[in-house]
Amino acid sequence: KAGVTQTPRYLIKTRGQQVTLSCSPISGHRSVSWYQQTPGQGLQFLFEYFSETQRNKGNFPGRFSGRQFSNSRSEMNVSTLELGDSALYLCASGTSGPYNEQFFGPGTRLTVL
Amino acid sequence: KNEVEQSPQNLTAQEGEFITINCSYSVGISALHWLQQHPGGGIVSLFMLSSGKKKHGRLIATINIQEKHSSLHITASHPRDSAVYICAVRFYSGGGADGLTFGKGTHLIIQP
Repeated sequence: KAGVTQTPRYLIKTRGQQVTLSCSPISGHRSVSWYQQTPGQGLQFLFEYFSETQRNKGNFPGRFSGRQFSNSRSEMNVSTLELGDSALYLCASGTSGPYNEQFFGPGTRLTVL
Repeated sequence: KNEVEQSPQNLTAQEGEFITINCSYSVGISALHWLQQHPGGGIVSLFMLSSGKKKHGRLIATINIQEKHSSLHITASHPRDSAVYICAVRFYSGGGADGLTFGKGTHLIIQP
């Protein structure tokens, strides 16, 4: 089975721009979660989707948004980029429910200049 | 505030030593995850626990729900075990279970 894929792997943007990141879960997985990792804050939960519905949302501003499609693929969008948005963005897929094991993708490294 | 505390933050040991990493959390949880992250960023899920003990190869994870504490043990450690080990939990919330809350990680170095 193919693992979780994320595109693009690396991205450089400038302040004020917006960005869209994509995540394709493992086949058959209906849950996708997004996380932000920075040296200062570590790993932080962004949001979680299950069957196209946002099930949970972390404590991030409204500039961060996401969605999930009927094929379980997910995208996250960050508008009006700030320098502090530079981070590794990870997505993880799982089968179902709050107990499911998380299978992580390789991440997208976003640099905001 | 729901918090996850890991200790130690950094650990250097010799090959073959028995390693223990600890994780404590503040309130009730639905599940606890142990994750491994190598340089370059890739994260691998090692264990997911809601009670008891799990073993996979040289890795053992235990959880004590009453004490709100979990440990990750590595037996016969090897330099390839060098990585950051992260504890993450799902706290209960009014609507079910929250997204994962992470500890700050334990940076483990195993010297040959």
